[in-house]
Amino acid sequence: KNEVEQSPQNLTAQEGEFITINCSYSVGISALHWLQQHPGGGIVSLFMLSSGKKKHGRLIATINIQEKHSSLHITASHPRDSAVYICAGGGGSEKLVFGKGTKLTVNP
Amino acid sequence: DAGVTQSPTHLIKTRGQQVTLRCSPKSGHDTVSWYQQALGQGPQFIFQYYEEEERQRGNFPDRFSGHQFPNYSSELNVNALLLGDSALYLCASSRLAGVYTGELFFGEGSRLTVL
Repeated sequence: KNEVEQSPQNLTAQEGEFITINCSYSVGISALHWLQQHPGGGIVSLFMLSSGKKKHGRLIATINIQEKHSSLHITASHPRDSAVYICAGGGGSEKLVFGKGTKLTVNP
Repeated sequence: DAGVTQSPTHLIKTRGQQVTLRCSPKSGHDTVSWYQQALGQGPQFIFQYYEEEERQRGNFPDRFSGHQFPNYSSELNVNALLLGDSALYLCASSRLAGVYTGELFFGEGSRLTVL
């Protein structure tokens, strides 16, 4: 059974801080997604990783396949980064298995 | 180029009623997946449609059914609504194997409240 666990559940930071959100996943997951969900509900795909590291602007995602662990980092955080960040895994099928999400609040 | 559009955005129903939610995928996409997100939880996979057929199904009862039309748009139908069906219903659009290519786009969701 594919499972995804995220931590922390809630995270509050001051503007400018470096932020890390962690995700552990089970055997069988081969594609790891990081997604962002705003209060209105819509979800935006940030990264899909199967190995290594990806960077887009101030966002960096890494994955360690041996340890079955991925991290999402935000550098120089800004209040507009406040959202729920969700880790989701796919493996062996077309469906994604989602973590419960990390609610990030960045205060000015 | 319109992204993924879902309708309606909000709706309220009473127990026992039936509801139909609609999704138009992004242009060029042929695969639609539906997810249910209860408050405070991550989305749960309901089913996926490709070439007008249900390809995969999650752990949801038969009260949940769907359809995909020749233009790739899709409907999610829920019969005999229960209070526990109250949730945000999300549609994800991709080409086949979008989970593995990363080209996955979500709609804004339809928020269903069952009273």
